[in-house]
Amino acid sequence: DAKTTQPNSMESNEEEPVHLPCNHSTISGTDYIHWYRQLPSQGPEYVIHGLTSNVNNRMASLAIAEDRKSSTLILHRATLRDAAVYYCILRDTAATGNQFYFGTGTSLTVIP
Amino acid sequence: DGGITQSPKYLFRKEGQNVTLSCEQNLNHDAMYWYRQDPGQGLRLIYYSQIVNDFQKGDIAEGYSVSREKKESFPLTVTSAQKNPTAFYLCASRSTRSYTTPYNEQFFGPGTRLTVL
Repeated sequence: DAKTTQPNSMESNEEEPVHLPCNHSTISGTDYIHWYRQLPSQGPEYVIHGLTSNVNNRMASLAIAEDRKSSTLILHRATLRDAAVYYCILRDTAATGNQFYFGTGTSLTVIP
Repeated sequence: DGGITQSPKYLFRKEGQNVTLSCEQNLNHDAMYWYRQDPGQGLRLIYYSQIVNDFQKGDIAEGYSVSREKKESFPLTVTSAQKNPTAFYLCASRSTRSYTTPYNEQFFGPGTRLTVL
């Protein structure tokens, strides 16, 4: 199964952009890249996903490398509410059940 | 409002007892999932179900059992065979129909924190 690698923790100042990196060097052609975030003692919530092209939504942007072996989640202006654990996940569309493979994620601290 | 509910939020169990965690969704999703999360760790898949009356083992199914008699419900039983059941348990659901938005995203419940005494 393809796996992802993320830094354990990152810090950002409030209202500054944040770039959260993710390596997925063994990604296959059928894997989608998803990002979820989790606040303490809550379930994860969807942030963004993509396959090959960069993606933007109201929460964030996703930049995917041309070889797809890495990606970056971009929060354009970090707020205190963005402090969470961010998971970069590969979804194997070729596998039964479309399973999501969660790693340990990056814990983001936002400094006021 | 549509969503996923899990109950109870906190659950305490004596060693050797079976306990059932509830998961209900009114999102009309076909697929449902159970994950386990240990402190400082990511989520690990226990069981999943893509349709009523069918379910598959995930990566850590030993000591757990599930049923899927109704589309809306996917209860998880933690049996006495589970050696280390203390953890945070998360249920999720997903639409498998390509015409829905968002398609293929998992929606998570608030979780149940199980502690074995």
